[in-house]
Amino acid sequence: EVVLTQSPDTLSLSPGERATLSCRASQSVNSNYLGWYQQKPGQAPRLLIYGASSRATGIPDRFSGSGSGTDFTLTISRLEPEDFAVYYCQFYGSSRTFGQGTKVEIK
Amino acid sequence: EVQLVESGGSLVQPGGSLTLSCAASGIIFFSYAMNWVRQAPGKGLEWVSAISGGGESTDYADSVKGRFTISRDNSKNTLYLHMNSLRAEDTAVYYCAKSRAVNYYYYMDVWGGGTKVTVSS
Repeated sequence: EVVLTQSPDTLSLSPGERATLSCRASQSVNSNYLGWYQQKPGQAPRLLIYGASSRATGIPDRFSGSGSGTDFTLTISRLEPEDFAVYYCQFYGSSRTFGQGTKVEIK
Repeated sequence: EVQLVESGGSLVQPGGSLTLSCAASGIIFFSYAMNWVRQAPGKGLEWVSAISGGGESTDYADSVKGRFTISRDNSKNTLYLHMNSLRAEDTAVYYCAKSRAVNYYYYMDVWGGGTKVTVSS
């Protein structure tokens, strides 16, 4: 089973700053099966990125995904107030594992 | 507009049973695999179970295998999760989520608002 480890656990940044979130897989995975989700308090998760780098419908272009093999990255180029949330990566291939999440909080 | 609405969550005693439902609208339901994902209080997301569009294939997390059963009624556009032998650690908000295609090796592009299950005496 693929285990996903996200880092850092918490990222403290100010609006306008760049956020870089990491997701590391325990074994090499096909990037077609790597996604990112955003979850705000009291809300359901929302798909941001699929296939490691494709933005979902309606997702602003300040969100971008990259990576391959075991190392994947979600980048938010300039944080907007509504971007402060928890972000999860997910492998949806042979298993449907989520990472433990990274909380992006206001500094 | 695609909508998923879960129901059936409640307080149940350890060892008890419960069935969750997820009503879908705005999609050709049988064309998409469906999933259940849960979130324990203050914790992260845990995928629970998936079922293919036609219902012929299912998969479960090890933590629920043998206790939970996923099913669907495509004539009613409804997904179910039958939960038996419930434990305190099953306490969570349960979300249903639609996969992007008929099999479940795809990302989850639409999520419901969740239904809360509490297992406690």
